[in-house]
Amino acid sequence: AQRVTQPEKLLSVFKGAPVELKCNYSYSGSPELFWYVQYSRQRLQLLLRHISRESIKGFTADLNKGETSFHLKKPFAQEEDSAMYYCALDGDDKIIFGKGTRLHILP
Amino acid sequence: GAGVSQSPSNKVTEKGKDVELRCDPISGHTALYWYRQSLGQGLEFLIYFQGNSAPDKSGLPSDRFSAERTGGSVSTLTIQRTQQEDSAVYLCASTRAGTGGLAFFGQGTRLTVV
Repeated sequence: AQRVTQPEKLLSVFKGAPVELKCNYSYSGSPELFWYVQYSRQRLQLLLRHISRESIKGFTADLNKGETSFHLKKPFAQEEDSAMYYCALDGDDKIIFGKGTRLHILP
Repeated sequence: GAGVSQSPSNKVTEKGKDVELRCDPISGHTALYWYRQSLGQGLEFLIYFQGNSAPDKSGLPSDRFSAERTGGSVSTLTIQRTQQEDSAVYLCASTRAGTGGLAFFGQGTRLTVV
């Protein structure tokens, strides 16, 4: 079965502290994974994709096929990082989204 | 157009009434998705259209929900006999052929059933 799991519904982190948003997937093929973000009053948008291997707004995500994970990380949280984050998998026939994690950056 | 457009932005309706929500995808995008975001909740998949294939309706919560996509472009999500639990933000997204999981989302329609 194709599945994306984000185990944390809410994650609160102090400003300046490291952030790690967890994502695990289940997929039999070669996965393509994405992180999407939704800031307050803005539309849901792509943050990064694993094939780009880029850092966006200080965030990175490494695909770990052994652990079937694609965790999103940032070394030092900023207040503007507060948002809803979704992990997504390009499945066999459609995109599979996780349930999302709300990241709350504490001052 | 420049992006995925949804209308109306907000809709308040009385319980029991039917509503139609519209989505204009990016021109040339072959796939179209509908999702629902209830207050404080994540994305709930509703339905998926891909080209001329039969839509994937596996996420529709009840037979009160239906959607169609005319001419491979504009899509309408219809909710019949609305209930208070239908209150949510309904999101539409489209993708271009060959781009897999790269989706572009609309701003959503906030539906309130009173």
